[in-house]
Amino acid sequence: QQQVKQSPQSLIVQKGGIPIINCAYENTAFDYFPWYQQFPGKGPALLIAIRPDVSEKKEGRFTISFNKSAKQFSLHIMDSQPGDSATYFCAASKITGGGNKLTFGTGTQLKVEL
Amino acid sequence: DAEITQSPRHKITETGRQVTLACHQTWNHNNMFWYRQDLGHGLRLIHYSYGVQDTNKGEVSDGYSVSRSNTEDLPLTLESAASSQTSVYFCASSNRDGGTEAFFGQGTRLTVV
Repeated sequence: QQQVKQSPQSLIVQKGGIPIINCAYENTAFDYFPWYQQFPGKGPALLIAIRPDVSEKKEGRFTISFNKSAKQFSLHIMDSQPGDSATYFCAASKITGGGNKLTFGTGTQLKVEL
Repeated sequence: DAEITQSPRHKITETGRQVTLACHQTWNHNNMFWYRQDLGHGLRLIHYSYGVQDTNKGEVSDGYSVSRSNTEDLPLTLESAASSQTSVYFCASSNRDGGTEAFFGQGTRLTVV
């Protein structure tokens, strides 16, 4: 049972475009939503994270939008670059009592073309 | 610099053999996790530990075991390797507090033939 659903599975955009990756969760106890970026042959690395007390968080060219009532959150990459080509995973966990166990989405392979 | 390392990076083993994957972290983190990554499934939690002598089953724990004898290491053992366990395995660690960054190793690609 997939508690965090992620789409699309793959995405190709042109340099400068704004790829958007969407995630939906089921467990209303989740209150921490990180995005991880993974390059080929490497482990995932934290990119940006949000808690449900805010609807948007920006860090550089990366923005998370969060809709608590719809139980959805999304990652936007502004002015995308070829170096952003990677696999992106959304995740969710419970801050209190969750022990930092992450439930991951299925991943999105992003390719940014010149 | 603190880090988390996995070994080996690649391994091929035969069906039925016991295999142990190593994970060592120098962050002094209490929490350690093992995930497997498969196309179409993302990363799924196998086992986790919140401290020495503590181990817990995750979502896909059947056929796997872990032990935690010190803070730095959480080895993952496949008791009798099966082809369904061909995967990329990632170890991660984090501090005790929820909602904090988890640091991942480089992964071990295991092939069971």
